[in-house]
Amino acid sequence: DIQMTQSPSSLSASVGDRVTITCRTSQIINNYLNWYHQKPGKAPKLLIYAASSLQSGVPSRFSGSGSGTDFTLTISSLQPEDFATYYCQQSYSTPLTFGGGTKVEIK
Amino acid sequence: EVHLVESGGGLVQPGQSLRLSCTTSGFTFGDYAVNWVRQAPGKGLEWVGFIRNKRYGGTTEYAASVKGRFTISRDDSKSIAYVQMNSLKTEDTAVYYCTRYNITWFDYWGQGTLVTVSS
Repeated sequence: DIQMTQSPSSLSASVGDRVTITCRTSQIINNYLNWYHQKPGKAPKLLIYAASSLQSGVPSRFSGSGSGTDFTLTISSLQPEDFATYYCQQSYSTPLTFGGGTKVEIK
Repeated sequence: EVHLVESGGGLVQPGQSLRLSCTTSGFTFGDYAVNWVRQAPGKGLEWVGFIRNKRYGGTTEYAASVKGRFTISRDDSKSIAYVQMNSLKTEDTAVYYCTRYNITWFDYWGQGTLVTVSS
């Protein structure tokens, strides 16, 4: 199984901050890496697919990069609605696996 | 507009069975694979399994934690996917989401249905 290591597990940030979340996989997955965020009591929402493609309707302050085993999600200017938990997920092979999540909280 | 709605959750005792449904609309259901993802209370996301579309044989794959106990199926004529859950354990307690699989990502999710396994 491909292990997903997300860091940090949580962070505190202010509105307007640049935020970076990283995801490392236990083996090479090319660009089969997706990012989601989830607000309390809600379903996850797709932000980035195939490592760097922005899902339709998602604000351009979100971006993804990386390939191989190391990936990054960046929020260029954190907005109040971005406070949520963020998950990476690999689709290279089954079982499909998720990172442990990064909780982004208000400083 | 794409919609997925899960139903069938509830409280069951260990060892019992439950069938969840994922009713969809707004897209050509038969063109897509469907995944089930669950989330235990206060925990992260866990992939349960998926069913491919008929073009790819309609075959299924499962997480090790549910293999042999859960069965995913689909009825393309009704645009519904199912997961039959047998021999339920307390550790199966979770919100269960169905998701549309677009190539290799989950692009639409239902709102989830809570399954509680407890005596």
